[in-house]
Amino acid sequence: EIVLTQSPATLSLSPGERATLSCRASQSVSTYLAWYQQKPGRAPRLLIYDASNRATGIPARFSGRGSGTDFTLTISSLEPEDFAVYYCQQRSNWPELTFGGGTKVEIK
Amino acid sequence: QVQLQESGPGLVKPSGTLSLTCAVSGDSISSSNWWNWVRQPPGKGLEWIGEIYHSGSTNYNPSLKSRVTISVDKSKNQFSLKLSSVTAADTAVYYCARGRNYDIDYWGQGTLVTVSS
Repeated sequence: EIVLTQSPATLSLSPGERATLSCRASQSVSTYLAWYQQKPGRAPRLLIYDASNRATGIPARFSGRGSGTDFTLTISSLEPEDFAVYYCQQRSNWPELTFGGGTKVEIK
Repeated sequence: QVQLQESGPGLVKPSGTLSLTCAVSGDSISSSNWWNWVRQPPGKGLEWIGEIYHSGSTNYNPSLKSRVTISVDKSKNQFSLKLSSVTAADTAVYYCARGRNYDIDYWGQGTLVTVSS
């Protein structure tokens, strides 16, 4: 099983700051990596697919990059509604599908 | 707009079987997508349970495979989850979702299932 490790577990930032979230895979997943945002009591929402493509309706301040084992989700300037938990997910070794443990972005 | 809605008992007894149904609207269950179940224990992360294609083909998480059955009802445009021999560790919010090849693009709102006597 491919394990995804997200860091940091918690990121404390202020609105307007830049957020950089990391996701590392235990083996190469090529670019078969997605990012989701989850707010309390809500379902996850797809942000990024294929490592760097924004999903429909996702603001340009969200960007993803990486390939192989190291991936980054960047929020260029945090808006109040961006404080949430973010998960990465891989599906390189189909049909296996796994999620990372999540990074919580909280208000400093 | 694709919408998914989970339904089923919110309380299941230990050793019993958890049964949930997901009604799909805005898309056909016979489209070129996979129909997934994902769960999230309270305060924890996401765990993929499995998926089904309209043909009836299924894929399951190996850690749950022996206890999981996912089925599809094309006439009702819905799919279902059965998880047997449940314990308190199966207490979670259960989400149904639409999967593309490598990710999941639409999610239901989720339903909390508690395993308790």
